[in-house]
Amino acid sequence: EAQVTQNPRYLITVTGKKLTVTCSQNMNHEYMSWYRQDPGLGLRQIYYSMNVEVTDKGDVPEGYKVSRKEKRNFPLILESPSPNQTSLYFCASSLGVAANTGELFFGEGSRLTVL
Amino acid sequence: GESVGLHLPTLSVQEGDNSIINCAYSNSASDYFIWYKQESGKGPQFIIDIRSNMDKRQGQRVTVLLNKTVKHLSLQIAATQPGDSAVYFCAESHSGSARQLTFGSGTQLTVLP
Repeated sequence: EAQVTQNPRYLITVTGKKLTVTCSQNMNHEYMSWYRQDPGLGLRQIYYSMNVEVTDKGDVPEGYKVSRKEKRNFPLILESPSPNQTSLYFCASSLGVAANTGELFFGEGSRLTVL
Repeated sequence: GESVGLHLPTLSVQEGDNSIINCAYSNSASDYFIWYKQESGKGPQFIIDIRSNMDKRQGQRVTVLLNKTVKHLSLQIAATQPGDSAVYFCAESHSGSARQLTFGSGTQLTVLP
């Protein structure tokens, strides 16, 4: 089954404790992206990757890091989480710019709470 | 600055009626628009898209209308069903692709029995 898998789905952590949210897709998609979703603000892009070893900042990259060492994986790293990073996070993938499509395939979301 | 907004945060319709969800955008350079549906506890799902060289596109029970003159986008759902209850997001791009989509804040559609 074609899917985007995120882990963990739920996490409660404390300020300053490094954490990683993993994202994996099995569709051989070139493009991957991370979004955060907050009430009243919709989805805001954190980072995106056009292909392996190519990453770029989105609209709200502060406090986050990403890496794209393999095509299927795109982990989101919070080196020193703060309470304002409490949010619902979504990973998404797409065929890529060359495919000229806006169809993103989203994971089920990871709800993060930073105390 | 760029923004993609919704006229109403909530919309309630009777089952079987048609639904119209509206969206306004401000970036004149936007050339590609997409509607997503998000059911409770799930990630958004692609519904339909439209490029700026079109003013209407139809899918299964859904139609998207684009008015570039007033920078307005709408999603029409025919014969609304209980399974249509969800939050609907419009998104815009000036890259013609999924790269750097800007999402609106969403409209909660509730289908009444």
